[in-house]
Amino acid sequence: DTAVSQTPKYLVTQMGNDKSIKCEQNLGHDTMYWYKQDSKKFLKIMFSYNNKELIINETVPNRFSPKSPDKAHLNLHINSLELGDSAVYFCASSKRRGSERETQYFGPGTRLLVL
Amino acid sequence: GEDVEQSLFLSVREGDSSVINCTYTDSSSTYLYWYKQEPGAGLQLLTYIFSNMDMKQDQRLTVLLNKKDKHLSLRIADTQTGDSAIYFCAERKPGANNLFFGTGTRLTVIP
Repeated sequence: DTAVSQTPKYLVTQMGNDKSIKCEQNLGHDTMYWYKQDSKKFLKIMFSYNNKELIINETVPNRFSPKSPDKAHLNLHINSLELGDSAVYFCASSKRRGSERETQYFGPGTRLLVL
Repeated sequence: GEDVEQSLFLSVREGDSSVINCTYTDSSSTYLYWYKQEPGAGLQLLTYIFSNMDMKQDQRLTVLLNKKDKHLSLRIADTQTGDSAIYFCAERKPGANNLFFGTGTRLTVIP
């Protein structure tokens, strides 16, 4: 299927652990994103990334780091997990950064619960 | 305002029309979007409108844009129980890669 996929779908872990969430898109898109949706359903951008530039939302703690092994993947690594990191994390991709015609397509989300 | 604003809740009866409203922040925003999120699911792009348009219709969906007031609305005709979900409006500001989302409107369709 042509889509943005994420793994795992659910992630339950202990405070202080390090975890990664993987994202893959087979749409041939150039730019990928990570968004965080909190318990009140508010969605905020964390990162946007293409093969040339990483743009970080300044409010994101440096415990969060995106890693892109290739254009089709953008993984999210989180160090020293905290209770407040519990949220749904969405990956998205779009065809061209800066293009007015781009549309962002979202993955199914990863539900992270930190205990 | 600094945030994209939406009413949090809307309830309608099955078969009625639903109108979900959104006030966005930047009059220069080029594209405005509506996404749907069903319970436990991801975000599904429903439709979008370019800022030089006033209206866009796509089957049961009608998007109206008032640039002067920075107001966007989504009308769903003949609302069905399957339309129950959270609806997010989002704007793409000039020079920004990402989307800025509203708080979401939880639509409940009463049979």
